[in-house]
Amino acid sequence: EDQVTQSPEALRLQEGESSSLNCSYTVSGLRGLFWYRQDPGKGPEFLFTLYSAGEEKEKERLKATLTKKESFLHITAPKPEDSATYLCAVQATPPPSGGSYIPTFGRGTSLIVHP
Amino acid sequence: KAGVTQTPRYLIKTRGQQVTLSCSPISGHRSVSWYQQTPGQGLQFLFEYFSETQRNKGNFPGRFSGRQFSNSRSEMNVSTLELGDSALYLCASSFSFFTDTQYFGPGTRLTVL
Repeated sequence: EDQVTQSPEALRLQEGESSSLNCSYTVSGLRGLFWYRQDPGKGPEFLFTLYSAGEEKEKERLKATLTKKESFLHITAPKPEDSATYLCAVQATPPPSGGSYIPTFGRGTSLIVHP
Repeated sequence: KAGVTQTPRYLIKTRGQQVTLSCSPISGHRSVSWYQQTPGQGLQFLFEYFSETQRNKGNFPGRFSGRQFSNSRSEMNVSTLELGDSALYLCASSFSFFTDTQYFGPGTRLTVL
C-alpha cells in the first residue's frame, strides 16, 4: 500500500527564516510526486511535479527536490503570503498485471510565516 | 485560460437527502477526478472519469456516484446523506489522468445537518 507522510504537521517561521518541509513516501514504483499549496477554504494549487531521484524544480522562493524515499520543499526567505498548507502526493506506477493511478496524498504541513 | 469551476460553492442539506455537485474542467482537459477532504481523513480519492467512462474508483460506498458528459463536464451525486458526508468536495481536471498533473477547482463545501 502506498504511503505518504509529511512532517512537520505545523511550522511557524519568522519572515525571512528559511526552512524545509519533508514528504516521505513508500510506493512500489514512483510515477510522479506532486506538491500543492492550499489556502483555507480553497482547492489545492499545483506547484511542482517531480519524476525521478535527483530532480529539482524552483518557483520563486520555493524549491522542490526528490530522492528515492523522500522529497523536500525548501522555502527561502519566506514571506507572510507563503502561509498555507502544503500537500504532497505520490502517484505509483501500476504493476504489469494491472492497477490504477490513484494518487495518495499526505496530510499536509501547515505553514505560518509571521511578519 | 479559465480554471476548474465548481458549483455550488456552499451547500447545506439534512440527513437522508441527496445532493448533486457540478464540475467544469479546464478547456481541453478530458479527465475529471473527485476528492473528499475532511480534517480527519485528509484528501481522499472518490473516482475519475475520462471520455464519459469511470476509469478509477476509490473506497467509498455506493451512495457516492458520478458521471461525465460529452463536453467533459462532470457531476457527482451523494444519496441518503449522512452527517459524516460533511466535507469539502474537490474536483480536479487534467488532460489525461495517467500522464498529467491535476488542477483543482475551489471546491464545494457540503454541510449535512
